[in-house]
Amino acid sequence: DAKTTQPPSMDCAEGRAANLPCNHSTISGNEYVYWYRQIHSQGPQYIIHGLKNNETNEMASLIITEDRKSSTLILPHATLRDTAVYYCIVSPGGADGLTFGKGTHLIIQP
Amino acid sequence: DAGVTQSPTHLIKTRGQQVTLRCSPKSGHDTVSWYQQALGQGPQFIFQYYEEEERQRGNFPDRFSGHQFPNYSSELNVNALLLGDSALYLCASSYGLVAKNIQYFGAGTRLSVL
Repeated sequence: DAKTTQPPSMDCAEGRAANLPCNHSTISGNEYVYWYRQIHSQGPQYIIHGLKNNETNEMASLIITEDRKSSTLILPHATLRDTAVYYCIVSPGGADGLTFGKGTHLIIQP
Repeated sequence: DAGVTQSPTHLIKTRGQQVTLRCSPKSGHDTVSWYQQALGQGPQFIFQYYEEEERQRGNFPDRFSGHQFPNYSSELNVNALLLGDSALYLCASSYGLVAKNIQYFGAGTRLSVL
């Protein structure tokens, strides 16, 4: 079973920041938090990952709470092309198979 | 630089038949993982190949088997197809076993079992 909990769906207005929450209260000390997204009819796409510090790249920012039991993915200026299912995954930093849950269906409204 | 490529894109089979799906990893990658995604669900891990050996396996029956070739490409074979095997089959590639777990996915093969 997936070790994360995400809301099934969220809406966000175009141009606003989209904040996607994830609970992972049973995360182990050696597990990373990864975010992938899947646009309709495509394979999942890697977005960002982190261990305990906040991370930022050209796509998004990842905020991890100090106790590491939850995190938030932030898309700073959402566009219509960001409409997708977003998956939060916890996994050791190796090459193991990923355990996906059902994710959050983010819908960007014009 | 080509990403992960999968073939065919769509496939229709009947119950009891056998199917082979193919995957070419991203250039420079040596590890291939396979996932099954039923409609409305997240992908489920089937197995992973590294150095031509099955390294890790998810909760799938042995009707699901695979192979990795010396050029790192991979095949997924499913025998005795069931209606429940209808799904999108995704291939993902990555480099090595110690790198952080960033997997690059192909667009998938849509299998329909009638």
